[in-house]
Amino acid sequence: GAGVSQTPSNKVTEKGKYVELRCDPISGHTALYWYRQSLGQGPEFLIYFQGTGAADDSGLPNDRFFAVRPEGSVSTLKIQRTERGDSAVYLCASSLGGRTDTQYFGPGTRLTVL
Amino acid sequence: ELKVEQNPLFLSMQEGKNYTIYCNYSTTSDRLYWYRQDPGKSLESLFVLLSNGAVKQEGRLMASLDTKARLSTLHITAAVHDLSATYFCAVDDSNYQLIWGAGTKLIIKP
Repeated sequence: GAGVSQTPSNKVTEKGKYVELRCDPISGHTALYWYRQSLGQGPEFLIYFQGTGAADDSGLPNDRFFAVRPEGSVSTLKIQRTERGDSAVYLCASSLGGRTDTQYFGPGTRLTVL
Repeated sequence: ELKVEQNPLFLSMQEGKNYTIYCNYSTTSDRLYWYRQDPGKSLESLFVLLSNGAVKQEGRLMASLDTKARLSTLHITAAVHDLSATYFCAVDDSNYQLIWGAGTKLIIKP
């Protein structure tokens, strides 16, 4: 079956602009996660959704970052007033049930802020 | 705060050789994962280790967990070029957030 998909695969934007990154999880997976991965590092947790609600948003670095999952499937990560330090690969993952289930990752969106 | 350390961070080895990647973590955890990442690709789940003494094997890869030592190992037997990738371990913290190591970049030369 289809895996986790993310769009766009690459996004280049200018400092101060607003961006939206989209994630389509595996069908039937109730849990969805966003991570950020910088070059040479492991993923850094951002936010976890169970269904439509953000069950844990403690990883969001500041209030410029926001994510939604209005119908419990597709999620959008929104970044306002982008900064150069936001440049990274943003990864989405989903799991069947809760946080103890194996997470399946999408290919990521590479965000470059000029 | 849970910290996860992997070593080595970079490993270049010849085909046919054996080697081990180590993953240490700083506080008690019930669950440890190993993932593989190819350049520009997604993270692929390899193993989930749930208890002390757990050992799992898939092909030339074998992972083990010692919860008392807070140590997991990923052993590669008779390495082949196709195993070249970056390998990550990740550990659940007390809030079930995954905390990741920095990854071990493995290059296997023919």
